[in-house]
Amino acid sequence: DSGVTQTPKHLITATGQRVTLRCSPRSGDLSVYWYQQSLDQGLQFLIQYYNGEERAKGNILERFSAQQFPDLHSELNLSSLELGDSALYLCASSVGEGNLGTQYFGPGTRLTVL
Amino acid sequence: EDQVTQSPEALRLQEGESSSLNCSYTVSGLRGLFWYRQDPGKGPEFLFTLYSAGEEKEKERLKATLTKKESFLHITAPKPEDSATYLCAVQARRLQAGTALIFGKGTTLSVSS
Repeated sequence: DSGVTQTPKHLITATGQRVTLRCSPRSGDLSVYWYQQSLDQGLQFLIQYYNGEERAKGNILERFSAQQFPDLHSELNLSSLELGDSALYLCASSVGEGNLGTQYFGPGTRLTVL
Repeated sequence: EDQVTQSPEALRLQEGESSSLNCSYTVSGLRGLFWYRQDPGKGPEFLFTLYSAGEEKEKERLKATLTKKESFLHITAPKPEDSATYLCAVQARRLQAGTALIFGKGTTLSVSS
């Protein structure tokens, strides 16, 4: 158990809908990262937050947004869902932002868009 | 462009048959190279971090090494429970990238008894 929790574990929804994924980092970790894992693209970085502020953006679509709250948990919002958004969404956390802290991953949320 | 390539894509071994997985990378300034293990339907599990060429780390039957262009994950006398996908990732020095990881596609290892 990495100490990173994600809810829900599974999510099945329809095209055009909006969903919210939640992540709680390990105790003491200030950085939260969101990744998308699909069979064809592999693991792709979406966005990073550090202590409530956006730190870096990767291949995140405009339909997707995220935030990190004062208690350091983070939410990833996916809207106008398409079939191609079906994937495993992974959250990771690390201690710092500028250091070489190891990223520990949660179990992921499996999103299926029908 | 920063890139990580893992080979082979899939590897089948008999129990006890040692082998190596390769991770080659091109990155604008390496901050660290990471190995993770991922079981089906689960999140990646951290194995090792390597920071500089020549560094080696070991854990049970696994040993990771790093050169200036690639890393190897050596598996000695594997057991069926070592079956998983092994992911390699790098962290670049580019400030715009924050501290995000760039992953390879992984090597899926199957060990049969």
